[in-house]
Amino acid sequence: KAGVTQTPRYLIKTRGQQVTLSCSPISGHRSVSWYQQTPGQGLQFLFEYFSETQRNKGNFPGRFSGRQFSNSRSEMNVSTLELGDSALYLCASSEGTGLENQPQHFGDGTRLSIL
Amino acid sequence: AQKVTQAQTEISVVEKEDVTLDCVYETRDTTYYLFWYKQPPSGELVFLIRRNSFDEQNEISGRYSWNFQKSTSSFNFTITASQVVDSAVYFCALSESIIQGAQKLVFGQGTRLTINP
Repeated sequence: KAGVTQTPRYLIKTRGQQVTLSCSPISGHRSVSWYQQTPGQGLQFLFEYFSETQRNKGNFPGRFSGRQFSNSRSEMNVSTLELGDSALYLCASSEGTGLENQPQHFGDGTRLSIL
Repeated sequence: AQKVTQAQTEISVVEKEDVTLDCVYETRDTTYYLFWYKQPPSGELVFLIRRNSFDEQNEISGRYSWNFQKSTSSFNFTITASQVVDSAVYFCALSESIIQGAQKLVFGQGTRLTINP
C-alpha cells in the first residue's frame, strides 16, 4: 500500500501571498488531519476532515483553511502568509471510523518557508 | 485541557545502552488513547504504538517496550540495546475520542535521541 503523499515537499513564498498544500491519504482511509510543526510551538493540530466535512478544528486563525474531496484527497490553504507560518506541515490519514482511535499515518510533510 | 509533557529534551547514549524516554500526560477524560511516534531526519512521523486508557498491560516489541501507569499518568518508552538507527526525535501523543473515530492528537515537545557508535 502506498503511504500518505504530500506535495510539494518544499515551498518558498513571500509575506502576503497564499499557498495551497496537497495530501493524498492511504488508500481506503477516509480521515485526513493536518498538523503544523515549528521549533517553538512543536506539533499542533490544525484540522481534520472526514467524508468531505471538517470534523475537528484546532486553534488557528481563519487564514488557515482546508477541504477534502470525494476521493479523500485533501488540500489546505493559507492566505495572507506571515513570517510565523514558516513550518513543516504534516498530513496524516486514518480509517476514521470505529470506536477505537485508529493510529494516524503521516506523510513526509511540506516545508514552507516565508521570506 | 489535555497536555503531554516530555521532560527530556535531548538524550545521548552510547550504542548498546538501554534508554528510557519519559512521557507524562494530563486529561479529564476516562477514555483516551496514547501514542508514540518516531521522527527521523526525513521528517515523516512513524507510528510505533497505540494504547487505550483501559489497557494497562505493558507491551514489548523486539527491542522496544512501553510501560503504561495510569496511577502516575505516565507512558514511558524503553529501547533496549540501542542502535545508531534509533537516533531520531520521539513524540508521545494523547488523543481523546471526541466524535466516534475522530482524532485530535496532542503532542509532547519531543525527545531528541542520539545514539553514538
